[in-house]
Amino acid sequence: SQTIHQWPATLVQPVGSPLSLECTVEGTSNPNLYWYRQAAGRGLQLLFYSIGIGQISSEVPQNLSASRPQDRQFILSSKKLLLSDSGFYLCAWSVGKNYNEQFFGPGTRLTVL
Amino acid sequence: GIQVEQSPPDLILQEGANSTLRCNFSDSVNNLQWFHQNPWGQLINLFYIPSGTKQNGRLSATTVATERYSLLYISSSQTTDSGVYFCAASSGGSYIPTFGRGTSLIVHP
Repeated sequence: SQTIHQWPATLVQPVGSPLSLECTVEGTSNPNLYWYRQAAGRGLQLLFYSIGIGQISSEVPQNLSASRPQDRQFILSSKKLLLSDSGFYLCAWSVGKNYNEQFFGPGTRLTVL
Repeated sequence: GIQVEQSPPDLILQEGANSTLRCNFSDSVNNLQWFHQNPWGQLINLFYIPSGTKQNGRLSATTVATERYSLLYISSSQTTDSGVYFCAASSGGSYIPTFGRGTSLIVHP
């Protein structure tokens, strides 16, 4: 069966420090991968998605970047964190294009102080 | 792109009550999902239901694609049903689902 891992689970970082969040998927090949952020309140904001190794699409201009160095690995990064980067970061995967049920990881709660 | 609206935004129930959550979408869909976000933030898949009706225990969902809405039914609610319920939809071969703003459900004992 497929599983998705995210780490760390929680993170407290000072403003201006770098960031690296990792997401890995097991049990499937060539998944579509997504990074979402959920700020205070309920909405999920799509940050990046990737349909293959090295293929990254950015949905919103921001202080973050994403990379996909391996088929089942998706990394979210920042060189210098801002206070506004605080939030709950969720990684998700799906397979295919036309019929793509999405599955989410457990999330990383980031606090920037 | 497709627009997704959920109602009601907030719902408070007494344990044992039934409820109906609604998701309206602006275009035909080939993907529609319902999720439950628990108090720890985990998004749990409830139903993948671009059309038709499905049931899983006390929960069931119906999507009427021609009328562009989906309903999530919760029967005999329990305190563990509390959390936020999201609907997400996509159409036309898109990789990107659009999420609604969610319905926040609180079930009191």
